[in-house]
Amino acid sequence: EVKLVESGGGLVKPGGSLRISCAASGFTFSHYNMNWVRQAPGKGLEWVSSISGSSSYILYADSMQGRFTISRDNAKNSVYLQMSSLRAEDTAVYYCAREDGSHYFDYWGQGTLVTVSS
Amino acid sequence: DIQMTQSPSTLSASVGDRVTITCRASQSISSWLAWYQQKPGKAPKLLIYKASSLESGVPSGFSGSGSGTEFTLTINSLQPDDFATYYCQQYNSYPWTFGQGTKVEIK
Repeated sequence: EVKLVESGGGLVKPGGSLRISCAASGFTFSHYNMNWVRQAPGKGLEWVSSISGSSSYILYADSMQGRFTISRDNAKNSVYLQMSSLRAEDTAVYYCAREDGSHYFDYWGQGTLVTVSS
Repeated sequence: DIQMTQSPSTLSASVGDRVTITCRASQSISSWLAWYQQKPGKAPKLLIYKASSLESGVPSGFSGSGSGTEFTLTINSLQPDDFATYYCQQYNSYPWTFGQGTKVEIK
């Protein structure tokens, strides 16, 4: 059974940093691109970042470029999102999502809430 | 960026109704479109990929159609479990983008 479990969310002050994690199980992790997708309270879904199975390509949404860093550790079956210079508008539930070979998201974690507030 | 526009934003329907949600892309995305269902406090769930392919385990009452810039998600006979918010997503080109969502409410 495919499982994605996010952790590390919490309350952080504007301008602060936070690293969130996603632990994967039930599939050959290194064979899949992984993504972060976020959802602000009461709002829709917004793609954040993608990382390929070998970490050879990494992509970010424009509004996150330069502030967020995605990485993965295939030995630990985990993907990470390091977030810095956080703003109130980064407040959201952050979901980890597996990307099928055709680039849609076939499995999602339960999400972790990041709140940016003073 | 490719903009995805869903209509309507909210839809009121009754159990047993046939409902249709439309998703329009700002440029052609061929058939690179997925549909997701999201219930309150839960993660999105994949329903349809490549515009019309039903994900394994999804009830056959769901169907998708379209190509190019116009797509539809149809729920053939609305069930109590189908009241949720539905999102389309294009995966033709980065950045992957979602529609704003369509909330299906009980009438």
